[in-house]
Amino acid sequence: QKEVEQNSGPLSVPEGAIASLNCTYSDRGSQSFFWYRQYSGKSPELIMFIYSNGDKEDGRFTAQLNKASQYVSLLIRDSQPSDSATYLCAVPNSGGSNYKLTFGKGTLLTVNP
Amino acid sequence: NAGVTQTPKFQVLKTGQSMTLQCAQDMNHNSMYWYRQDPGMGLRLIYYSASEGTTDKGEVPNGYNVSRLNKREFSLRLESAAPSQTSVYFCASSERGRGETQYFGPGTRLLVL
Repeated sequence: QKEVEQNSGPLSVPEGAIASLNCTYSDRGSQSFFWYRQYSGKSPELIMFIYSNGDKEDGRFTAQLNKASQYVSLLIRDSQPSDSATYLCAVPNSGGSNYKLTFGKGTLLTVNP
Repeated sequence: NAGVTQTPKFQVLKTGQSMTLQCAQDMNHNSMYWYRQDPGMGLRLIYYSASEGTTDKGEVPNGYNVSRLNKREFSLRLESAAPSQTSVYFCASSERGRGETQYFGPGTRLLVL
């Protein structure tokens, strides 16, 4: 069973701070990694994906990938109250079953005004 | 372009009743998925369809059946509902499936009494 681990939180940060969300995964063959945001009562929506080691930036969001350590993180700069949500890390299964995404249980982020 | 749509939005069933959850996508995606989301358990894959005409079991298939009616539509059936099936059900789709972004529908909230 492929595993994706996240701290459940809640992670609380003040408005304007950097929020750091972390995810580890067990499948060494995984090639791509996704971060979804889920507001309470809503469906998950993709905010970032990353394929290569290193950093990928998109606006206030930066995804960081370290395949050797099997670790992927999401940094949110200048956090806003509207960023308050649960953040889900998702990793595709490698090999023949890689149609499937394995999701972490999510980290609840609260940004305080 | 509605993306992924699901019906109904909310349903209450009595134990032993049956129902079908409907899902449709208008993005010409090949792969479709059904997940359930429970507090503390994260998103768990019930069934998926890598392409039209194929379906496969996910992590928690017991008590469910699926039909990939055509490329657009993927339904989930509960033949004899149980209280343990009380959950939020999400349908998702992706273009080719392999390690790609999945796009989610708005969800169906199901309560089984």
